[in-house]
Amino acid sequence: SQTIHQWPATLVQPVGSPLSLECTVEGTSNPNLYWYRQAAGRGLQLLFYSVGIGQISSEVPQNLSASRPQDRQFILSSKKLLLSDSGFYLCARRGGGGYGYTFGSGTRLTVV
Amino acid sequence: GQQVMQIPQYQHVQEGEDFTTYCNSSTTLSNIQWYKQRPGGHPVFLIQLVKSGEVKKQKRLTFQFGEAKKNSSLHITATQTTDVGTYFCAGPDNYGQNFVFGPGTRLSVLP
Repeated sequence: SQTIHQWPATLVQPVGSPLSLECTVEGTSNPNLYWYRQAAGRGLQLLFYSVGIGQISSEVPQNLSASRPQDRQFILSSKKLLLSDSGFYLCARRGGGGYGYTFGSGTRLTVV
Repeated sequence: GQQVMQIPQYQHVQEGEDFTTYCNSSTTLSNIQWYKQRPGGHPVFLIQLVKSGEVKKQKRLTFQFGEAKKNSSLHITATQTTDVGTYFCAGPDNYGQNFVFGPGTRLSVLP
């Protein structure tokens, strides 16, 4: 199976506080991993993707950063959250052989 | 860069009515994927289309890839309340590295 674990499910953080969201993947080695953000009622915005340990590509300049310390671990971080960082954060891995992305259950972040 | 557009943005239907969402790309796509996201949930992969003019069915859902491979559609026959959610299409980016998602069509089904 290609299970993706994300936590926490919901998070309320004050402006200026740090953030760390973790995503772990089961089932396969060296997966391509992704962080997406979805604003309320909107589409999916690709933030970062990683093709391997220590390899991070940033799609959009953000107040965020990502790291991949282990093959099956992908972390999204911020040193100081902004109100505009609120949203639904989804970790995903890309499938192969005609299969699409598998998404985690997401973290709903509210910055107050 | 690659753009994927979807219409309509919202659709409200009465249960039992049919529903169609359309996806259009600014460039020719090697393949296209469709996802469904239930309210409060995460996107779930439905299907991938690869061939020009391809038509695939999943129960009441019919997916079609245009002849020019620049557009696609998802048609739901006789909608049910379980069909409620947002439907996204996604196509490969210009580098073929990642997929670009459309903005989605949000479907509401009135019982």
